[in-house]
Amino acid sequence: AQTVTQSQPEMSVQEAETVTLSCTYDTSESDYYLFWYKQPPSRQMILVIRQEAYKQQNATENRFSVNFQKAAKSFSLKISDSQLGDAAMYFCAYRSGGWETSGSRLTFGEGTQLTVNP
Amino acid sequence: DGGITQSPKYLFRKEGQNVTLSCEQNLNHDAMYWYRQDPGQGLRLIYYSQIVNDFQKGDIAEGYSVSREKKESFPLTVTSAQKNPTAFYLCASRITDRGGAFFGQGTRLTVV
Repeated sequence: AQTVTQSQPEMSVQEAETVTLSCTYDTSESDYYLFWYKQPPSRQMILVIRQEAYKQQNATENRFSVNFQKAAKSFSLKISDSQLGDAAMYFCAYRSGGWETSGSRLTFGEGTQLTVNP
Repeated sequence: DGGITQSPKYLFRKEGQNVTLSCEQNLNHDAMYWYRQDPGQGLRLIYYSQIVNDFQKGDIAEGYSVSREKKESFPLTVTSAQKNPTAFYLCASRITDRGGAFFGQGTRLTVV
């Protein structure tokens, strides 16, 4: 079974600075998708960014970007110009690209709690 | 507006009683999921369903049951066999393509 590991339980950053959250995963598959989700205090899960494994180009969404290292099985999230509203729990997630039943399984890491200091 | 609706937001039950959590989506999504989240922890997969009348056990299915009779609905029953049911439960759905999953607002279940 695939596993997702986030080794940083907590991170902090100064407002307007840049922070990088780490994620590694274990899989033997070549076709898969990776995601970063944000969970603010409201506990609503919000999709931040996604990456298809077959794409070499790193995904970018405004101030959020990823560093996808397929060979190293690493998928880090960079938040630039951090804002107070970025404070939340961030989860890394993996999903197989297969069309069979297992392709629906979505596996999450343990999360990283990000604090943004004014 | 399209979205995923979980109800109720807060639920209290006595120990030994079964309870059913509702999850409805009008996004025409094929796949649906149930996750459990304990304080300060990640999301653990309980059950998931890719199509109507089919579902698969996740990592912590013991003490839970689901049904998928309609595409829009994926209710979760927490049975008396679940030893520690107090938790935050999240439902999600995803169209069968390369996209991510969308989540409901969650149900906080407290068993006393």
